[in-house]
Amino acid sequence: GDSVTQMEGPVTLSEEAFLTINCTYTATGYPSLFWYVQYPGEGLQLLLKATKADDKGSNKGFEATYRKETTSFHLEKGSVQVSDSAVYFCALTDLFGNEKLTFGTGTRLTIIP
Amino acid sequence: DTEVTQTPKHLVMGMTNKKSLKCEQHMGHRAMYWYKQKAKKPPELMFVYSYEKLSINESVPSRFSPECPNSSLLNLHLHALQPEDSALYLCASSHPGAGGLTNEKLFFGSGTQLSVL
Repeated sequence: GDSVTQMEGPVTLSEEAFLTINCTYTATGYPSLFWYVQYPGEGLQLLLKATKADDKGSNKGFEATYRKETTSFHLEKGSVQVSDSAVYFCALTDLFGNEKLTFGTGTRLTIIP
Repeated sequence: DTEVTQTPKHLVMGMTNKKSLKCEQHMGHRAMYWYKQKAKKPPELMFVYSYEKLSINESVPSRFSPECPNSSLLNLHLHALQPEDSALYLCASSHPGAGGLTNEKLFFGSGTQLSVL
């Protein structure tokens, strides 16, 4: 079945550092890929998405590129802020439309001033 | 209005109680979801309703009973729960998949933190 593998956390960085959170996937079809973010005490919010190979999703300074050849969708940000502290989930849905998101295990990010 | 509203935010119940979780959205979404999230784990899908009909049940125990009375409301009825059912229960909504192009954004509520004693 479909699966998503994220880098183990937690990740702790200083403010203005460069961020990479790795995500790789296994899917039988042609998935759409997502990054969701969960701030403390809240539900999940969509951060960005990409629906086909070589698409780049971007939002709030975060970027991720859909790489079919490496089955990856790594999240990057050039300069993180304290307000970026949250849990980040990589996720996919397959093209064949079962309305089901498959999530990775999440990566907790803490940014220190 | 781009919100999914869940009530209550916190719930403590005994194993013999009956309670209900409620979820409401007014974005015109016709797909609604219940997820269960244990601490430090990703959300796990429980149920999906599409056009007010149950379309996915991820083999959830019968002590959890979903209900979708109309296109804006989703309930989760709880009865005879176990302590291991303690978790954050998240509701979400979206436009349903069409023709296999299920890449629609899910809008999540803030969840109900449930504790079963």
